[in-house]
Amino acid sequence: NAGVIQTPRHKVTGKGQEATLWCEPISGHSAVFWYRQTIVQGLEFLTYFRNQAPIDDSGMPKERFSAQMPNQSHSTLKIQSTQPQDSAVYLCASSLHGGNSDYTFGSGTRLLVI
Amino acid sequence: GEKVEQHESTLSVREGDSAVINCTYTDTASSYFPWYKQEAGKGLHFVIDIRSNVDRKQSQRLIVLLDKKAKRFSLHITATQPEDSAIYFCAASGAYKVIFGKGTHLHVLP
Repeated sequence: NAGVIQTPRHKVTGKGQEATLWCEPISGHSAVFWYRQTIVQGLEFLTYFRNQAPIDDSGMPKERFSAQMPNQSHSTLKIQSTQPQDSAVYLCASSLHGGNSDYTFGSGTRLLVI
Repeated sequence: GEKVEQHESTLSVREGDSAVINCTYTDTASSYFPWYKQEAGKGLHFVIDIRSNVDRKQSQRLIVLLDKKAKRFSLHITATQPEDSAIYFCAASGAYKVIFGKGTHLHVLP
C-alpha cells in the first residue's frame, strides 16, 4: 500500500501560468478530499468527491480553481492564471467509505507562484 | 461557518513531562474529533480520535478528553519523547468534512 500519492511534490510557476496538481488515492477508497494549507489560514477544505462524483466544492475559490476526478485512480486540481496568493501546500486525502474517520493524507504538493 | 480554535500555537515541554493541547469548536453537529500529527515536509498522520458518545479515550501515551457541553476537547501526551516533537492538529467533523485547527507546534526539550 503506497498510500495517497501526490505529484509533483514541488511546483514553481510564474504568475499567470496554469498549475495542475495530481492525486492518486488509495486503491479501493471511494472518496477524495482536497485541502489547502498555509501558515496564515491553516488547513482549508476545498472540495470532496465520492465515487468520482463531486459532492461538495464549497471551499473552492469561485474563479480560477477547478477539480476533477475522471476515474477512480486519480483526481486533479487545476489552478488557472496562478497568483502569488495561491502559494500553499495542497493536500489530498482519501477515505474508504467517504466518511470522516479514515482519512489518509498524501504528502502534499508545495506550490510556489513567483 | 464551522470553526475549530486551537489555543496553543507553540508548546515546549521537557522530555518525560506531559503536554496538553486544547481546542474548542463551534458546530454543535460535530460528532467526531480526530487529531493529526505533521512532521516537517510530510502530510498529516492520524494519531487518535474520539467520538461524541464518549468523553475520554486513551491509546498508550495519548489521552483525548471531550466536553460536549463546553464544546471543548484536548489531547494529553504523557511521558513525552523527542519523537513527539511535531505539529499537532485538532479537528472536528460532522458527516464528512473535517474542519481543522491551526496547529500546535510541540517541542520536546531534552
